Amino acid sequence: EDQVTQSPEALRLQEGESSSLNCSYTVSGLRGLFWYRQDPGKGPEFLFTLYSAGEEKEKERLKATLTKKESFLHITAPKPEDSATYLCAVQRINDMRFGAGTRLTVKP
Amino acid sequence: DADVTQTPRNRITKTGKRIMLECSQTKGHDRMYWYRQDPGLGLRLIYYSFDVKDINKGEISDGYSVSRQAQAKFSLSLESAIPNQTALYFCATSDLGNGEQFFGPGTRLTVL
Repeated sequence: EDQVTQSPEALRLQEGESSSLNCSYTVSGLRGLFWYRQDPGKGPEFLFTLYSAGEEKEKERLKATLTKKESFLHITAPKPEDSATYLCAVQRINDMRFGAGTRLTVKP
Repeated sequence: DADVTQTPRNRITKTGKRIMLECSQTKGHDRMYWYRQDPGLGLRLIYYSFDVKDINKGEISDGYSVSRQAQAKFSLSLESAIPNQTALYFCATSDLGNGEQFFGPGTRLTVL
């Protein structure tokens, strides 16, 4: 059965303390891996799409990487405004399957 | 103006009532989706539609039905609401090409 697992469930960082979020997946027919950011009370917002192992994408303090079995979202020198839930999702042939998310809190 | 809108934003109802959640989009996308989000479970797909004449069940369609009234409108119905349908519901759209989905602001549904 296709699965998407994110770890840790929650992560608390001090401002400036870099870390990584993990998304491991077992999916047949992978068409792409997506990262979204979700703020409380809002819908997810798109961050990145990765299509093949070895691919990397960057946006401000965030960098996403992809291997054949997992993806990492690296956060460099985070700020309090980076606090949110980060969701990864795998695109299958007809639909997208989401992980449960990592809730990130960055303290000033 | 928001590209994907959902109504209502909040709804409290009682067990056994029929409820309709509505989604409208101005992005011109053919594909539309309904998800529910529960703490610790992430987003789970209920139904999806690739065009007006195409409706498909998702991972958790039991107890739900949908209607695609037009390219821009996709409604989700709970024929007889039950308490375990209490959740946050999201509508999303996507283009044919890259799969990126655009989400509405969500509807918080409480079934008492």
